[in-house]
Amino acid sequence: NAGVTQTPKFRVLKTGQSMTLLCAQDMNHEYMYWYRQDPGMGLRLIHYSVGEGTTAKGEVPDGYNVSRLKKQNFLLGLESAAPSQTSVYFCASKPRGWYNEQFFGPGTRLTVL
Amino acid sequence: ELKVEQNPLFLSMQEGKNYTIYCNYSTTSDRLYWYRQDPGKSLESLFVLLSNGAVKQEGRLMASLDTKARLSTLHITAAVHDLSATYFCAVDSLTSGSRLTFGEGTQLTVNP
Repeated sequence: NAGVTQTPKFRVLKTGQSMTLLCAQDMNHEYMYWYRQDPGMGLRLIHYSVGEGTTAKGEVPDGYNVSRLKKQNFLLGLESAAPSQTSVYFCASKPRGWYNEQFFGPGTRLTVL
Repeated sequence: ELKVEQNPLFLSMQEGKNYTIYCNYSTTSDRLYWYRQDPGKSLESLFVLLSNGAVKQEGRLMASLDTKARLSTLHITAAVHDLSATYFCAVDSLTSGSRLTFGEGTQLTVNP
């Protein structure tokens, strides 16, 4: 099993450009999450999904959109990138169940100039 | 709103010494998780604590949970250089979606 994978690993954008980050998991997990990690601030939840076709806002959703058309994939979109979105983005997944150990992907380092 | 605070945020210690990292949280929860992150890497799950009084140990690390005090500790015994990393605690808010709220992280450096 590959676990949780993220594409791309690195990306540099100019202000105003758009892009999509892809998260894929092969563990048949129902729940998936997108976080951003900034220095000194830990991880903050952007959006999450509790199943195929469903998404919900997290702590810092502004400027991002998501889609979960297939159970194994969770896409994070930036429609018009801003320098404030320079960050490391992590995807995570977990199975349905009463405890919440999440499994993380390797991360995507995004720089917006 | 659930808040999670770790201290210290930076910890430099010598090999062979003991130390404790603290994780305080603001609302009721009996599920707490510890993760390790190496520089430039992803998060690795260390411990899952699911009830008051839970204690887990793995090698030189021991984690505990006191839900009444809303406090978890990560104790390091006889530190070695390989333990140098950033450690995060995360608390389950028990809301729909099973969302985790993370602390800011404790950057641990173990010096020879």
